[in-house]
Amino acid sequence: QVQLVESGGGVVQPGRSLRISCEAAGFSFSSNVMHWARQVPGKGLEWVARISHDGIYTQYLDSVKGRFLISRDNSKSTVYLQMNSLTTEDTAVYYCAKDLGERWALDYWGPGTLVTVSS
Amino acid sequence: EIVMTQTPLLPVTLGQSASISCRSSQSLVNSDGYTYLSWLHQRPGQPPRLLIYQISYRFSGVPDRFSGSGAGTDFTLKISRVEAEDVGVYYCMQAAQFPWTFGQGTRVDIK
Repeated sequence: QVQLVESGGGVVQPGRSLRISCEAAGFSFSSNVMHWARQVPGKGLEWVARISHDGIYTQYLDSVKGRFLISRDNSKSTVYLQMNSLTTEDTAVYYCAKDLGERWALDYWGPGTLVTVSS
Repeated sequence: EIVMTQTPLLPVTLGQSASISCRSSQSLVNSDGYTYLSWLHQRPGQPPRLLIYQISYRFSGVPDRFSGSGAGTDFTLKISRVEAEDVGVYYCMQAAQFPWTFGQGTRVDIK
């Protein structure tokens, strides 16, 4: 079955960087678009970034454009989110999610990893 | 950015039906003619789970108690015969244009 497991979250100071990862299993990773979304604890969901199956095309939420970089390593079935110049407003649980292909929906989600930006 | 609006809270009665509404600030009909509106359910402490995609298609394993309808800017998720496991927050999400956006969520709880 499809499994997505995020890792790399933690506490980081404002202005610093952090890279989180999501390892996938149970499906053809290299054929699937992948996403990152986030959720401030107790609040709603926010889509963050998307990467094409081959890593060539990416899209970002405006508030993270230029600071965050989504990438993938298909040989490791892993998608990454490099987060730079972090602010307290980036504090959230970060989820990776698999795209349902041409149906344009998010069909499987990982359990999430908490990123806390605090001095 | 497309803004998605949902009613924040919906008390329901076990065994009865419930309808959750979602309205978008502009039409979700994509240039390819399809409408990319989906519904997700999130229980406390868990990640979201996809229920419905493209307005009305149930995702694999989703009970047929859940159904979606709507068009353009107005959409509805209906739960017939609400069960205790249906509590939680329901989100609509648009994928018609980037950035993809979610409604603020509708919290469903038992009266």
